[in-house]
Amino acid sequence: GESVGLHLPTLSVQEGDNSIINCAYSNSASDYFIWYKQESGKGPQFIIDIRSNMDKRQGQRVTVLLNKTVKHLSLQIAATQPGDSAVYFCAETRSAAGNKLTFGGGTRVLVKP
Amino acid sequence: ETGVTQSPTHLIKTRGQQVTLRCSSQSGHNTVSWYQQALGQGPQFIFQYYREEENGRGNFPPRFSGLQFPNYSSELNVNALELDDSALYLCASSPRDRDSYEQYFGPGTRLTVT
Repeated sequence: GESVGLHLPTLSVQEGDNSIINCAYSNSASDYFIWYKQESGKGPQFIIDIRSNMDKRQGQRVTVLLNKTVKHLSLQIAATQPGDSAVYFCAETRSAAGNKLTFGGGTRVLVKP
Repeated sequence: ETGVTQSPTHLIKTRGQQVTLRCSSQSGHNTVSWYQQALGQGPQFIFQYYREEENGRGNFPPRFSGLQFPNYSSELNVNALELDDSALYLCASSPRDRDSYEQYFGPGTRLTVT
């Protein structure tokens, strides 16, 4: 069945270092991927997205990489800050599925001062 | 903030009872999706409403139902509550007619079933 999963449940990173969060997906028909950040007591917040016809997209301090060959997605956060501490989810959808998102289990990022 | 609001913030119900959760979508968004997020897990898609009709449903039983109103706000109703229904219920709105799959989430309603 469809699944989107993450390799590491918890990631501890020193403030100022770069963070890399990984995600594997199983549905080869997925054509749109999103990274969300969820802070305690809040709903998921959009970070960055990427379509399947791209392999890299950059935002402010964040970069998403997509490797369709191995069905792998990653989120890189540059110069990690204390405010980046949160749970990060990858999600996927397909054009035919409308806006139905399939989420992975999440990775908690802890930024150490 | 996304502009998506949900009420109530927290709710405690007893097994077997019924509950209604409410969501106001962001201005200009005509699609509302509901998700259930159990503690420590990712959100799971319940269903989506587009122009007041259900437009896709996840693997949830019929006792989970919903409505969307002409102003695009929405309700999630759960009948015959079970202990496993305890979760954070998230509402997300999106501009379906645009070429974007981005969804804007509300803060959620924390439901506890005892």
